[in-house]
Amino acid sequence: DGGITQSPKYLFRKEGQNVTLSCEQNLNHDAMYWYRQDPGQGLRLIYYSQIVNDFQKGDIAEGYSVSREKKESFPLTVTSAQKNPTAFYLCASKAGIYGYTFGSGTRLTVV
Amino acid sequence: AQKITQTQPGMFVQEKEAVTLDCTYDTSDQSYGLFWYKQPSSGEMIFLIYQGSYDEQNATEGRYSLNFQKARKSANLVISASQLGDSAMYFCAMREPNNDMRFGAGTRLTVKP
Repeated sequence: DGGITQSPKYLFRKEGQNVTLSCEQNLNHDAMYWYRQDPGQGLRLIYYSQIVNDFQKGDIAEGYSVSREKKESFPLTVTSAQKNPTAFYLCASKAGIYGYTFGSGTRLTVV
Repeated sequence: AQKITQTQPGMFVQEKEAVTLDCTYDTSDQSYGLFWYKQPSSGEMIFLIYQGSYDEQNATEGRYSLNFQKARKSANLVISASQLGDSAMYFCAMREPNNDMRFGAGTRLTVKP
């Protein structure tokens, strides 16, 4: 079945450590997105990519980095510069104008 | 930037009754799309329903319908015959001119048995 796979489901990060969240899709979608969700809040856009080897900052890109070397993959790195990274991270992809397909999310906690 | 407002942080509904979740939006664009997503406690976002700005009929998908009032810039979700499994967070979203999506803060719906 086609879909988006995010891994890991849970991730723990120590202070000052970089961590990478994986997002893979087999839907042949061009556009991919990373959102952050804090408890009781909506989704905020971190980065997005419309095509391979190109990506754009969203509303809250500081402290994050991405790459888009393959159409299927859009990993997100949470760097040590992100001072409050504890959140739920959702990856999504889109083909056409009718909404997104989401992954099941990664819950990141700083320990 | 476009803005989505969901004024109800939490809602309660009795099982088998209908409930309306409010959503208003702000845009100066003529062409846009409005979406509702459901987020259960497991975290995934489930697409429920879509309304295009030029659609004359209100969208319906099974027990879900979208009450679209363009002049008032509102796109309320109506869930009929509520079920216990409807308990979740519900997000209203709008597709922006660059085709990105902007989300509201969400409404937590609790269905009482």
